[in-house]
Amino acid sequence: SQTIHQWPATLVQPVGSPLSLECTVEGTSNPNLYWYRQAAGRGLQLLFYSVGIGQISSEVPQNLSASRPQDRQFILSSKKLLLSDSGFYLCAWSVTSGRETQYFGPGTRLLVL
Amino acid sequence: GNSVTQMEGPVTLSEEAFLTINCTYTATGYPSLFWYVQYPGEGLQLLLKATKADDKGSNKGFEATYRKETTSFHLEKGSVQVSDSAVYFCALILRANNLFFGTGTRLTVIP
Repeated sequence: SQTIHQWPATLVQPVGSPLSLECTVEGTSNPNLYWYRQAAGRGLQLLFYSVGIGQISSEVPQNLSASRPQDRQFILSSKKLLLSDSGFYLCAWSVTSGRETQYFGPGTRLLVL
Repeated sequence: GNSVTQMEGPVTLSEEAFLTINCTYTATGYPSLFWYVQYPGEGLQLLLKATKADDKGSNKGFEATYRKETTSFHLEKGSVQVSDSAVYFCALILRANNLFFGTGTRLTVIP
């Protein structure tokens, strides 16, 4: 069966510091991978998605970036965090074709102070 | 454009009460529809889905029917439990990589 991991689970960072959140998927090959952000009291916003190694599409311009160095690894980064980057970050995966279900990881709660 | 509109919460019910959370959608094509649930402090879990008109998704006593004529996918459960307390998200997908979520509805079930 497939599983998706995210770490860290919780992170408190000062404004201006860098960020690296990691997501890995097990039990599947060549998945589509996604990063979402959930701000407090709001729905989910798609930030990035990837259909393969080194292939990243950005949905919303911001000071975040994503990378996919390996087939089942997806990293969300920032060089300098803003207060507005606080939120709950969720990674998800799906099979590569069609309108398939997306399966979510446990999330990382980020607080920027 | 494509969007999902959910009933605003929070919703508070007594145990064993009937639950309905309304969801309507706007789509430029023919979407698949989903309900996800988020328990406190956790990520999203797929609750149920439907891929075509008149399909009924069901899981854990929850049901939702894909109604193309009313562009709706309302979530229902006949008898809620305290353990159902969570935030429920309605979502649609039209093409790969483009999942649109509603803003979520918080449900609290009291004993």
